[in-house]
Amino acid sequence: AQKITQTQPGMFVQEKEAVTLDCTYDTSDPSYGLFWYKQPSSGEMIFLIYQGSYDQQNATEGRYSLNFQKARKSANLVISASQLGDSAMYFCAMVPKTSYDKVIFGPGTSLSVIP
Amino acid sequence: ETGVTQSPTHLIKTRGQQVTLRCSSQSGHNTVSWYQQALGQGPQFIFQYYREEENGRGNFPPRFSGLQFPNYSSELNVNALELDDSALYLCASSPGPQTSTDTQYFGPGTRLTVL
Repeated sequence: AQKITQTQPGMFVQEKEAVTLDCTYDTSDPSYGLFWYKQPSSGEMIFLIYQGSYDQQNATEGRYSLNFQKARKSANLVISASQLGDSAMYFCAMVPKTSYDKVIFGPGTSLSVIP
Repeated sequence: ETGVTQSPTHLIKTRGQQVTLRCSSQSGHNTVSWYQQALGQGPQFIFQYYREEENGRGNFPPRFSGLQFPNYSSELNVNALELDDSALYLCASSPGPQTSTDTQYFGPGTRLTVL
């Protein structure tokens, strides 16, 4: 079965510290895309970062980086220098290429940044 | 370049009624996907439209239907509303249907409450 697991329902981090949000996935498809989205309390899903299954380098976008370990099927999001505005729900998502029309989301992790 | 917009923002209906939600895709995008997000959960894929044709469907009953128009805007219709249909409905547009590589950009969502 194709599935995303996020084992941390809630996380706290001190402002200016780094934090890692865990994501593991399960798919038998050799080709897939991995995404992270941020959802503030307003509800809009904001795209953060993308990693392709065949990408050799870990993806980075500003303060966001993706720690991709293909053999372990994990795609953890690292946020450096946390800011108060980073407080939100974070969703990991996967799209296997064979079901390219169907995005599978994890249950999310709630991140709270403490001043 | 305008982002993804959705209307209405909030909606209250009663059981058995019908509802239509609307989405305008981002400029240059020809693919729209719809998601249902129940409170405290990750989004669930409903269906995708690519160039006015349904291009994939999740595990939702036929009373969930959609349309895409020549300008690539889209509607989600839900008939015979049930209490469990209460959720945030998210629309996402992308430049193509290959969502394993084409990043989706989400609208702010429509909050539907069924009484």
